[in-house]
Amino acid sequence: NAGVTQTPKFQVLKTGQSMTLQCAQDMNHEYMSWYRQDPGMGLRLIHYSVGAGITDQGEVPNGYNVSRSTTEDFPLRLLSAAPSQTSVYFCASSDPSTGARDEQFFGPGTRLTVL
Amino acid sequence: GNSVTQMEGPVTLSEEAFLTINCTYTATGYPSLFWYVQYPGEGLQLLLKATKADDKGSNKGFEATYRKETTSFHLEKGSVQVSDSAVYFCALTHGSSNTGKLIFGQGTTLQVKP
Repeated sequence: NAGVTQTPKFQVLKTGQSMTLQCAQDMNHEYMSWYRQDPGMGLRLIHYSVGAGITDQGEVPNGYNVSRSTTEDFPLRLLSAAPSQTSVYFCASSDPSTGARDEQFFGPGTRLTVL
Repeated sequence: GNSVTQMEGPVTLSEEAFLTINCTYTATGYPSLFWYVQYPGEGLQLLLKATKADDKGSNKGFEATYRKETTSFHLEKGSVQVSDSAVYFCALTHGSSNTGKLIFGQGTTLQVKP
């Protein structure tokens, strides 16, 4: 299993540009989440999904959209990039059926810089 | 609301020293508690967890005990190695909704010198 994969690994955008961060998992996990990591602030939840077709907002959703059309994929879209969105983005997944729904598996991250 | 507070870093230790990283939490209900570790350039990995009061999680020589009376989950290791250099995150589940959401502390950087 590849686990949770994220692309790209690095990205530089100009203010106002849009882009999609890709996330895929091959573990058949129902739950998927997006976090951003900023210095001194830990990880903060952006959006999450408990299954295909179901998404909800986390702590910091503004400026981001998500959709979940398949179990495997959970892309994160930046609609109009702003410098405040410069961060490291992590995708995570977990499996509620095992009773370990809180044990999240993380991707390697995408480092985004918005100029 | 629920929150996690960790001791400020960085923590710098010599090899074989004793490690404690403090973590306290505020939560409603009965959260599960976790320690995640992030090695340089990588994503987070689950290090250990505890799901109820007085549980002790352990892995790779690290331990943490769920203390409800002090709302704490301090991470300890008796003898650190250079390879333990990483960022450590304390986390808890988001209330009782059990949808896999986690609330993280700010992270503590550990640097172990030979």
